[in-house]
Amino acid sequence: DIQMTQSPSSLSASVGDRVTITCRASQSISTYLNWYQQKPGKAPKLLIYAASTLQSGVPSRFSGSGSGTDFTLTISSLQPEDFATYYCQQSYSTPYSFGQGTKLEIK
Amino acid sequence: EVQLLESGGGLVQPGGSLRLSCAASGFTFSSYAMSWVRQAPGKGLEWVSAISGSGGSTYYSDSVKGRFTISRDNSKNTLYLQMNSLRAEDTAVYYCARGPSSSWSRVRADVWGRGTTVTVSS
Repeated sequence: DIQMTQSPSSLSASVGDRVTITCRASQSISTYLNWYQQKPGKAPKLLIYAASTLQSGVPSRFSGSGSGTDFTLTISSLQPEDFATYYCQQSYSTPYSFGQGTKLEIK
Repeated sequence: EVQLLESGGGLVQPGGSLRLSCAASGFTFSSYAMSWVRQAPGKGLEWVSAISGSGGSTYYSDSVKGRFTISRDNSKNTLYLQMNSLRAEDTAVYYCARGPSSSWSRVRADVWGRGTTVTVSS
């Protein structure tokens, strides 16, 4: 099974900051890496798929990069609505595993 | 508007059964793979099961294999999850999710329902 490890587990930042979240796979997953945003009490929302493709309707301040085992999600200028928990998910092979999540909080 | 609406959650005793449903609207249901993803209280996400658009191919995580059965009725635009031999560790919010194509291979979830809560407790 492929293990997905996110860092950091939590992060405090201010509106306007540039933020980067890292996701590492235990083996190569090419670019089969997706990012989701989840707000409290709500369903997750797909932000980025195939490591770097922005899902339709997602603001361009979100971007993704990486391939193989190391991936990043970057928010270029944090907005108040971006404070949430972010998950990476590999879709390279079953079981389709998620990272443990990164909680982004207001500083 | 594309929508997924789950139902059927509730409180059930260990060893009991429950059937979840997910009603889909706003898209051609049979053209998309569908999945169930769950989230235990305060925990992360787990991909539980998936089914192809035709219903001919399914996937189960090891944690539910042999106990849960995923199915779909494309004439009713509805996805199901039959859950048997329920355990305390199955307690979670269960989300219905749509994949971007008819295959569940290398799937991602581009549309999610609001979720339905399953509690397994005596």
